[in-house]
Amino acid sequence: EVQLVESGGGLVKPGGSLRLSCAASGFIFSNYAMGWVRQAPGKGLEWVSSISSSSSYLYYADSVKGRFTISRDNAKNSLYLQMNSLRDEDTAVYYCARVAGAAGTLHWGQGTLVTVSS
Amino acid sequence: DIQMTQSPSSLSASVGDRVTITCRASQSISNYLNWYQQKPGKAPKLLIYDASSLQSGVPSRFSGSGSGTDFTLTISSLQPEDFATYYCQQGYSMPYSFGQGTKLEIK
Repeated sequence: EVQLVESGGGLVKPGGSLRLSCAASGFIFSNYAMGWVRQAPGKGLEWVSSISSSSSYLYYADSVKGRFTISRDNAKNSLYLQMNSLRDEDTAVYYCARVAGAAGTLHWGQGTLVTVSS
Repeated sequence: DIQMTQSPSSLSASVGDRVTITCRASQSISNYLNWYQQKPGKAPKLLIYDASSLQSGVPSRFSGSGSGTDFTLTISSLQPEDFATYYCQQGYSMPYSFGQGTKLEIK
């Protein structure tokens, strides 16, 4: 069974940093692209960042470019999101997602809440 | 970037009703379209992939159709557990954008 477990969320002041982690199990992690999707309170889903299976291709939404860094460790079956210079508008539940198939189908973790507030 | 537009944004219906939600892409995305159901406080759950393939374990009252730019999600006979928010998502090109969501409420 595919399992994705996020951790690292919490309360941080504007300008601060957090590192999110996603532990994957139940599939061959190194075979799949992975991504982070966020959902602000009461809002819809926003694609934040993604990374190819070998880390050769990275994507960032304009809203986080230059502040967030995605990475992965295939030996540890883990995905990461380093978030710097956090802003109020980064407050959201952050979901780790496995990308599968030609249609970019997503399988989701349970999410971790990031709150940016002074 | 590809824009995804869902309609309606909200919908009131009764148990047993047939419901259709539409999703339109700003350019052709072939059949690279997925549908998700989200309940409050929970992660989205995959219902339909590749526009019309039913995810394992999802009830057969859910179906998807379409290709190119226009897609539909149909629930043939609403059950109480189907009241939730539904999102479409294109997997044609990065960023994998989502529709704004359709909130399905009990009438």
